[in-house]
Amino acid sequence: QVQLVQSGAEVKKPGASVKVSCKASGYTFTSYGISWVRQAPGQGLEWMGWISAYNGNTNYAQKLQGRVTMTTDTSTSTAYMELRSLRSDDTAVYYCARMGVRFPYYFDYWGQGTLVTVSS
Amino acid sequence: DIQMTQSPSSLSASVGDRVTITCQASQDISNYLNWYQQKPGKAPKLLIYDASNLETGVPSRFSGSGSGTDFTFTISSLQPEDIATYYCQQYDNLPRFTFGPGTKVDIK
Repeated sequence: QVQLVQSGAEVKKPGASVKVSCKASGYTFTSYGISWVRQAPGQGLEWMGWISAYNGNTNYAQKLQGRVTMTTDTSTSTAYMELRSLRSDDTAVYYCARMGVRFPYYFDYWGQGTLVTVSS
Repeated sequence: DIQMTQSPSSLSASVGDRVTITCQASQDISNYLNWYQQKPGKAPKLLIYDASNLETGVPSRFSGSGSGTDFTFTISSLQPEDIATYYCQQYDNLPRFTFGPGTKVDIK
């Protein structure tokens, strides 16, 4: 069965960086992409960006351009999301989700979420 | 950027009621619209893709319709396990994605 298992909760100081991992299993990793979505406490869902596990192509949300980097390690079927220059409003649960690489696009499997807390 | 609005922001209905949520895009998005259900403390779950296609394994009481700028999500007979927040999501050909603000559904 398809599973996405994310790394554990993180506490970071403002200005630091965080790197969240998402290990995939149960499907051919390079046939899909991974999107990252975050959710601040009590708020809605915010799409952060997407990476193709096939060729490493990325597309980041304009709001996060320059602060976020998404990568994959095909040898371990793991996707990574690094966010730099953390601010308090980056405190959120971060989710990875599987998505297809052609129309129609949707997120059919999700990780369990990783809480990132930014606090001095 | 395309903006998404949802209404209502919250609703309360009785078990067995028909529940309808609307989602409006700021410009024509064809049928590039998905619906997700999120229960408290859980990851979202895909229910409907491309406006009206039911994801495998999702109960048939859930349905979606619409195209262009106006979309509707319906629960034909509300069940206690349907208590959740529902989000619409649009996408384009790059792809980029935008979620609606969500609709919280409660039991009256």
